[in-house]
Amino acid sequence: NAGVTQTPKFQVLKTGQSMTLQCAQDMNHEYMSWYRQDPGMGLRLIHYSVGAGITDQGEVPNGYNVSRSTTEDFPLRLLSAAPSQTSVYFCASSYSTGTDTQYFGPGTRLTVL
Amino acid sequence: AQSVTQLGSHVSVSEGALVLLRCNYSSSVPPYLFWYVQYPNQGLQLLLKYTSAATLVKGINGFEAEFKKSETSFHLTKPSAHMSDAAEYFCAVKPVGGSQGNLIFGKGTKLSVKP
Repeated sequence: NAGVTQTPKFQVLKTGQSMTLQCAQDMNHEYMSWYRQDPGMGLRLIHYSVGAGITDQGEVPNGYNVSRSTTEDFPLRLLSAAPSQTSVYFCASSYSTGTDTQYFGPGTRLTVL
Repeated sequence: AQSVTQLGSHVSVSEGALVLLRCNYSSSVPPYLFWYVQYPNQGLQLLLKYTSAATLVKGINGFEAEFKKSETSFHLTKPSAHMSDAAEYFCAVKPVGGSQGNLIFGKGTKLSVKP
């Protein structure tokens, strides 16, 4: 049982490049989400999904796309990277949207030059 | 809108001293409340959560938190700090009955433990 996995762990992009951050979970969780963490800002929600085929925007969705074709995977796409997207990105999942614990992945540290 | 405030971005204590990390929420209806810990270069790990059962919640690693509705607070405490407690701590809220399940995080408190 690997829990929540994220790849890559580190990534450097140039402004304007696109890329996909991968997130997978093997706990059969319905709910998955993406957060970004910036110094002094805590974690802010980018996008989330309550099940396969269902996604919605969080607090800071601009510049990011998501899709959820399977229960296990929830990739985050940066369409045209900007320096403001330099951050640490965390994926999380939980069994449901109630009080179930959200489990976090180890994070992806992204730098946009 | 729901929000959560953590007082003090940095807290420093001596080893063996009491740890007190403060968290206040803004909501007319008490939400679900969570404390997460983040060790350097790692993801977040749940310490404890309040889900409207007992107001005093015990978590892992000797931490506990007390929900006080009158003060809209959910402060995290540990009687005796260990060097291994040095980390960043996040308080988070989730509205009761919400369909989205999203956590709203505070900005975090970095705990340093001096020998």
